[in-house]
Parts: sequence; structure tokens; C-alpha cells
Amino acid sequence: NAGVTQTPKFQVLKTGQSMTLQCAQDMNHEYMSWYRQDPGMGLRLIHYSVGAGITDQGEVPNGYNVSRSTTEDFPLRLLSAAPSQTSVYFCASSLGGTGDQETQYFGPGTRLLVL
Amino acid sequence: AQSVTQLDSHVSVSEGTPVLLRCNYSSSYSPSLFWYVQHPNKGLQLLLKYTSAATLVKGINGFEAEFKKSETSFHLTKPSAHMSDAAEYFCVVSSRMDTGRRALTFGSGTRLQVQP
Repeated sequence: NAGVTQTPKFQVLKTGQSMTLQCAQDMNHEYMSWYRQDPGMGLRLIHYSVGAGITDQGEVPNGYNVSRSTTEDFPLRLLSAAPSQTSVYFCASSLGGTGDQETQYFGPGTRLLVL
Repeated sequence: AQSVTQLDSHVSVSEGTPVLLRCNYSSSYSPSLFWYVQHPNKGLQLLLKYTSAATLVKGINGFEAEFKKSETSFHLTKPSAHMSDAAEYFCVVSSRMDTGRRALTFGSGTRLQVQP
């Protein structure tokens, strides 16, 4: 079991460039989500998905797109990168129920720098 | 609406002394509460969780937390700090929103420093 994997680990972009952050999980979790982590702000939810074909916006969705064509994969797209998107991005997955099923499993993160 | 307040952004203790990381929450519905730990340049790892069973919850690495509904608190403790405990700790609340969906809210984090 690899758990939650993310690629790349580190990326430098120029303003206006686009890129996709990859996230995959092999635990057959229905619920997947993307967070960004900024100093002193904890983790903020960008987008989430409760199953294949279903996505919804989180707290800070602007500038990001997602899709969920399979249970395993949940890529995050930056269409036109901005310096304000410099952050560490974490993907997480869970069974999506309540109680113990709410436990989220996190990937190792992608560190993004936008110049 | 729900929120989480971690009362200390930074805590410094000596090795072998007790650890107390404070967390207060607000939630309209019965919450689940979690503590996660993040070591430098790593992802988040679950330490422990409260999901409406026993109010005193034991986690990994000797950590425990007590859910106190009357005080809306979920403080994290450990009797004796170890150097390897130096990390950032996040308190997280999950509860049902008005839409029926459950949502997680993260605290801003407490950085624990352990002095030799």
C-alpha cells in the first residue's frame, strides 16, 4: 500500500504558466481533497471530491480546477499561476463517512514556487 | 459555522518535561476532533481522534487528549517530551454543516520545540 502519493515534490513556475499537481491513492477511498498550507494559516481546503465524477469547491478555490475521473486520481490544475499561489499543497483521502471514517490520510506534499 | 483556535503558536519545553498544546473549538453540531503532527518537510500524520466515544483519547507516541464539552476544549498532552516530538501540531474539528456535508477546519498550528 503506497497510501497517498503526490508528484512533483517541488516545482518552480513563472507567472502565467499552467501546471497540474498529481495525486493518487490506492486505498479505495471515496473522499479526496486538496489543501494549501501557508505560514500561520494552517491548512485551507481548495477543492474536494466525494467520489468519481463529483467535485466541489472548498474555502479557497479561485485559480484552481479539479476533476475526478477515477476513484484513484484527483489532479489539481493551475491554469495561470500567480505568485499568491506559492504554497505547499497537500492531497488527502478518506473513506468519507463519519467518526473513524473521517480520518484523512495525507500525501507528502508539493512545494510550489511561482515567480 | 465551526472554528478551531490553537492558543499558542509556539511552545518550548525541555526534554523529559510535560507537554501541553491547547485547542479550543466551536461547532454547531456534535464534532469529531483530531490532532495531526507534521515533521519538517513531511506530510501530516494522525496522532489521535475523538469521535464521540471515550472522552480521554490515547494516541501514538504517548500523546493523549481529553474532550471537554463544557469547556469546548481538546488539549493535547504528553507526560514526558522527547527530542523527536519537535514538530508542528494541528488541531482539527469536523462537524456537519448546514448543507448536511461534513467539513474539516484546521487550526493554525502550534510549533513544539524540545530543548535538550
